[in-house]
Amino acid sequence: AQKITQTQPGMFVQEKEAVTLDCTYDTSDPSYGLFWYKQPSSGEMIFLIYQGSYDQQNATEGRYSLNFQKARKSANLVISASQLGDSAMYFCAMREADYKLSFGAGTTVTVRA
Amino acid sequence: NAGVTQTPKFQVLKTGQSMTLQCAQDMNHEYMSWYRQDPGMGLRLIHYSVGAGITDQGEVPNGYNVSRSTTEDFPLRLLSAAPSQTSVYFCASSRGRATNEKLFFGSGTQLSVL
Repeated sequence: AQKITQTQPGMFVQEKEAVTLDCTYDTSDPSYGLFWYKQPSSGEMIFLIYQGSYDQQNATEGRYSLNFQKARKSANLVISASQLGDSAMYFCAMREADYKLSFGAGTTVTVRA
Repeated sequence: NAGVTQTPKFQVLKTGQSMTLQCAQDMNHEYMSWYRQDPGMGLRLIHYSVGAGITDQGEVPNGYNVSRSTTEDFPLRLLSAAPSQTSVYFCASSRGRATNEKLFFGSGTQLSVL
């Protein structure tokens, strides 16, 4: 079974608008970590934000915030005030107690001027 | 600070050839791993290591071998390359194994098997 599901293969967003990238996960572990990574066209993997399963508050890092809904097993990434440099592929990932980090298929975001 | 260094960046092989993808990290990280990235499939774990001398299989280990003789190095060996192994390969490491430890990635190796 898929551990991480990203249902949006591609999205377009207007510059300066906000965009939400969906991510659902599947685990029976009580302790786990959720991560978002950005992969620009140059190919490197850039860490954006982390949310722990026991964290009470949603994580925020600058223009990035993570909408964590534990009961729904959802960890959506919100990018506020989109910039042209936000055009990239975005991956949701989960780390469980077995040490491994599992990735979703990714969502490509294209920011339009 | 070099971080995670992968070599080579690009490689073309013929079916049946063998090769080793090199990965080194200078952060004294305990955990190291190899992923392959294919269109529409995200990153899939090939092998991982939780310390020198300890390795284990990930989701897609067939056709690949690894070893971890030192903390710094974690090479990935393709024993007999097949076209299905055409992919982008990433090495990644983390300080520890805990669920809050993020992975640091190398810049990737684009491998084509003809």
